[in-house]
Amino acid sequence: DVKVTQSSRYLVKRTGEKVFLECVQDMDHENMFWYRQDPGLGLRLIYFSYDVKMKEKGDIPEGYSVSREKKERFSLILESASTNQTSMYLCASARATEAFFGQGTRLTVV
Amino acid sequence: GESVGLHLPTLSVQEGDNSIINCAYSNSASDYFIWYKQESGKGPQFIIDIRSNMDKRQGQRVTVLLNKTVKHLSLQIAATQPGDSAVYFCAPRGATNKLIFGTGTLLAVQP
Repeated sequence: DVKVTQSSRYLVKRTGEKVFLECVQDMDHENMFWYRQDPGLGLRLIYFSYDVKMKEKGDIPEGYSVSREKKERFSLILESASTNQTSMYLCASARATEAFFGQGTRLTVV
Repeated sequence: GESVGLHLPTLSVQEGDNSIINCAYSNSASDYFIWYKQESGKGPQFIIDIRSNMDKRQGQRVTVLLNKTVKHLSLQIAATQPGDSAVYFCAPRGATNKLIFGTGTLLAVQP
């Protein structure tokens, strides 16, 4: 079975902190994604990576950056956390049309 | 930019009835259209996809219809069951395999 693992299920950080969300997949997928999910807004794409060191902005990249140094790992970085970044963050990986999602990280910024 | 919208944010159906979930999209360059199901507390799961050169695809109890003329697709679920209760997303696949999701439709199955 494909496994996408996010490093934390719940996270609480202070405003201004630098936050790292880690995601690892074990199926050698080229494509990896970071989404945030907020009530009534669905899944919004933050960043997308289609290969090692390759990235593409999604719809809401502001305040975020990403790193893909190895194929299996895709990191989301909040450079200076703010309260409006409190959300559920979902990582996914895909080879073709089928994306596999992690369990999500519930981030609260206080 | 790309956008995906749904006509009905909430759909309530009786158990055993057929459900139809609709989705409008704006990106004509999408090569595939994919439906996902998200149950409470879980990440989205792949249900079915349809290639852009097709207008219909059937799976187990589900049928996808694609109308490229009006940029609309639908997911039909036959004999809806309580286990079908979830949020459903359509996701057109764009250039470089990017997946854009809409706001989702909540399907509530009444016993």
